Amino acid sequence: AQSVTQPDIHITVSEGASLELRCNYSYGATPYLFWYVQSPGQGLQLLLKYFSGDTLVQGIKGFEAEFKRSQSSFNLRKPSVHWSDAAEYFCAVGGRITGGGNKLTFGTGTQLKVEL
Amino acid sequence: EAGVTQFPSHSVIEKGQTVTLRCDPISGHDNLYWYRRVMGKEIKFLLHFVKESKQDESGMPNNRFLAERTGGTYSTLKVQPAELEDSGVYFCASSQEGRGRRDSPLHFGNGTRLTVT
Repeated sequence: AQSVTQPDIHITVSEGASLELRCNYSYGATPYLFWYVQSPGQGLQLLLKYFSGDTLVQGIKGFEAEFKRSQSSFNLRKPSVHWSDAAEYFCAVGGRITGGGNKLTFGTGTQLKVEL
Repeated sequence: EAGVTQFPSHSVIEKGQTVTLRCDPISGHDNLYWYRRVMGKEIKFLLHFVKESKQDESGMPNNRFLAERTGGTYSTLKVQPAELEDSGVYFCASSQEGRGRRDSPLHFGNGTRLTVT
């Protein structure tokens, strides 16, 4: 069975500092990997996704993530955090999509707090 | 384009009562998903519709939960009778995925926060 681990429940960073959110997954083959963000009172928004190809993926809002097969990781990074990045971040893994399938397994989320 | 709409945004009911959650997907999205997040835990898949058909309902917790999508448009998720452990946030999401469109992302609604007392 597939699973996702986000080891950091809460992270606090200063505005302008760099950010790395960790994500490890367990899956029997090459997975599809996603990062979502949820701001207070909002739904989940897709930041970026990895299906195949280049292991460094660029997303929206200046985020990027790197797929490392050897470490079963898909860590999310941002070089300089803005106060508006404060939110909860979810890593997710999905299986092969055949004719329809966004059945995702999510991690427990990382709550990001940004200090001004 | 309107996003995925869910209502109510909040619902507080007593144990044993019935609650119906509604989701309106983005127009033209054949695929509709329900997910749930119980407090402090991960977001979990409940079920997946393709148009009006249930493609996968392996995540439904038990037979107190009934999901429908008549006509392939909006969907409802009914909990009857509700139990304390049903409390959580219920998310609906839709997408245009299908053959040749595997990279169609999920668009999530803002969720319905259900509290069973």
